[in-house]
This record gives sequence, structure tokens and C-alpha cells, in this order.
Amino acid sequence: QKEVEQDPGPLSVPEGAIVSLNCTYSNSAFQYFMWYRQYSRKGPELLMYTYSSGNKEDGRFTAQVDKSSKYISLFIRDSQPSDSATYLCACSFTGGGNKLTFGTGTQLKVEL
Amino acid sequence: DAGVTQSPTHLIKTRGQHVTLRCSPISGHKSVSWYQQVLGQGPQFIFQYYEKEERGRGNFPDRFSARQFPNYSSELNVNALLLGDSALYLCASSLEGTSNYGYTFGSGTRLTVV
Repeated sequence: QKEVEQDPGPLSVPEGAIVSLNCTYSNSAFQYFMWYRQYSRKGPELLMYTYSSGNKEDGRFTAQVDKSSKYISLFIRDSQPSDSATYLCACSFTGGGNKLTFGTGTQLKVEL
Repeated sequence: DAGVTQSPTHLIKTRGQHVTLRCSPISGHKSVSWYQQVLGQGPQFIFQYYEKEERGRGNFPDRFSARQFPNYSSELNVNALLLGDSALYLCASSLEGTSNYGYTFGSGTRLTVV
């Protein structure tokens, strides 16, 4: 079993829709949670990070972490075709060897 | 300001050969990490270096090695290449050694082993 699970999609939505992307994790030591966006043939770009449980909002993006259920989410409001990319969740913890543990990524396509 | 730069962007190698990938972190960043991303998968941690010392190592064979230079740039070396080493190799940098606030990634080196 992978430490971080993520539905690979693809997920296709119409422009303007609210998108919900999710990951589950098994390692209860994880404390820090990140979302990256990766365009084709590019490196991952950090979108948001959160510490422990709670919500964090940045423009059209909202990240949620529920440590009790080991569930992390990214919501994208008013989705745009430029949001079409692969979204990767990543987790880490202090003392965890300074590494990020990634999910497999969810491919998102926002259609006109 | 330049981001994380990696070279080369693409290369093709034959099984059994050796390869060296290079990375220059963002100016002022002292930590460099290497990740391998196989097509359709998330990046897998290989190494992390901070202040020229290895601070973390992932579950990769000894054929993989790395080092960090006094100017904080880094090299990833892979010996005795296998077909399964074909992947996008990503370098990431951060100001400090912790991974907790994420890293800035480069665009990667796409390695194809034939």
C-alpha cells in the first residue's frame, strides 16, 4: 500500500466548475501537506502548503486537511482552461528524512 | 531571478552506460533534492543535500549517487543504466534543509535508456 493515494483521473470539467481533488494517506506522522501543479513536460509548481488540520485559501484555491481521517483536499473555484494540468499532493513530517512523499497525481482537464 | 536550472533537458543513453545530471539551485538556496518521476507516477525521493552533506536518501540502489558542490550546485550520477531508469529526473531547491514548506522544482531532465 502506498503511503499517499490519489485517484489518477483523468477528471474532465466544464469551464467555471468547482473542482475537488483529493488524497488519502496512511502515515499518521505526516504533519505538512502540499499541493503541486504540473504542466506537461514541466516540473511541479508549489500551489499551497498547510500544517496539520485546517483550511487555507489562496485566490481560487482552497486546501483542506483532516488529520483525523487522513484526508486532504484541494478545491479550485471558477476553473479555467489554464488550470488543466496534473495535480500532485505531497506530505512530509519533521524528522522524516527531509523528503516529500507524493501521490500519483490527478490529471485535470477544464474544457471550454 | 533564475529558478532551478537543470541540464541537460533530454538525453538518450544505452543500457549499461553511466549518466551525470546537473542542477543549479535558486540563488541563496542551500538545499538540493533529487526526485525520479516515472511516467504516470508521482516523484520519488532519491537524495537530499544541505550544506554539501547528505541529509536524506530514498530507497534507490547504490548505482545512484550524488554530491553537492561549494556553490550549492549538485550532480546526480547513475551507473550501469537499466531500462527502468528511464524517467524524468527532477531537482528541487530550498533555502533551508527542511522539506516541510515544499521545494521549488526545476523542469527536469528526461532520461531515456534504450
